[in-house]
Amino acid sequence: DAMVIQNPRYQVTQFGKPVTLSCSQTLNHNVMYWYQQKSSQAPKLLFHYYDKDFNNEADTPDNFQSRRPNTSFCFLDIRSPGLGDAAMYLCATSRDRSLIEQFFGPGTRLTVL
Amino acid sequence: GQQLNQSPQSMFIQEGEDVSMNCTSSSIFNTWLWYKQEPGEGPVLLIALYKAGELTSNGRLTAQFGITRKDSFLNISASIPSDVGIYFCAGQRQAGTALIFGKGTTLSVSS
Repeated sequence: DAMVIQNPRYQVTQFGKPVTLSCSQTLNHNVMYWYQQKSSQAPKLLFHYYDKDFNNEADTPDNFQSRRPNTSFCFLDIRSPGLGDAAMYLCATSRDRSLIEQFFGPGTRLTVL
Repeated sequence: GQQLNQSPQSMFIQEGEDVSMNCTSSSIFNTWLWYKQEPGEGPVLLIALYKAGELTSNGRLTAQFGITRKDSFLNISASIPSDVGIYFCAGQRQAGTALIFGKGTTLSVSS
């Protein structure tokens, strides 16, 4: 089945220790998104890639970076995680930017100690 | 920033009851989406709406794109325990712009 896969499902890191979350998709979609979701809140868009074109949201902290080495994979790098970065991180894809139906992965729950 | 007002915030119902929730905005949207999220999982797309007045069903779920293009509604008929979760509306104002999410409606169903 075509899908969006996120690894790991649970990640524990230490305050200030860099961490990378990964996302892969078998849908062959052009657009990949990263969202942050805190408890009982709506997902908040951090950035997205349209093919290789990176689009950062204006209020996304510099601490968050992303890489998309190919169509299938996208990574979220948190350079120096703070306690406030503990959240669920969701990857999503859409076929293109005009077709807005986004398909989400299961998420990675990040804990910062 | 742009906001969507989703209500109610939470609902506690008995199995078999029908459920209604809605999303409103002061601005016009050209697309409305409804997602369901279960604990520890990512949101799952339920229904997508693209035209004002459009009424679309997915099993026991029915969603409508409001005529004014400023609101959308989701109805669940004959609820069952597995309907439990958080339902999010999401809208897009123009093609190519980001989705805006509502704050979610938490649904609890007792059997």
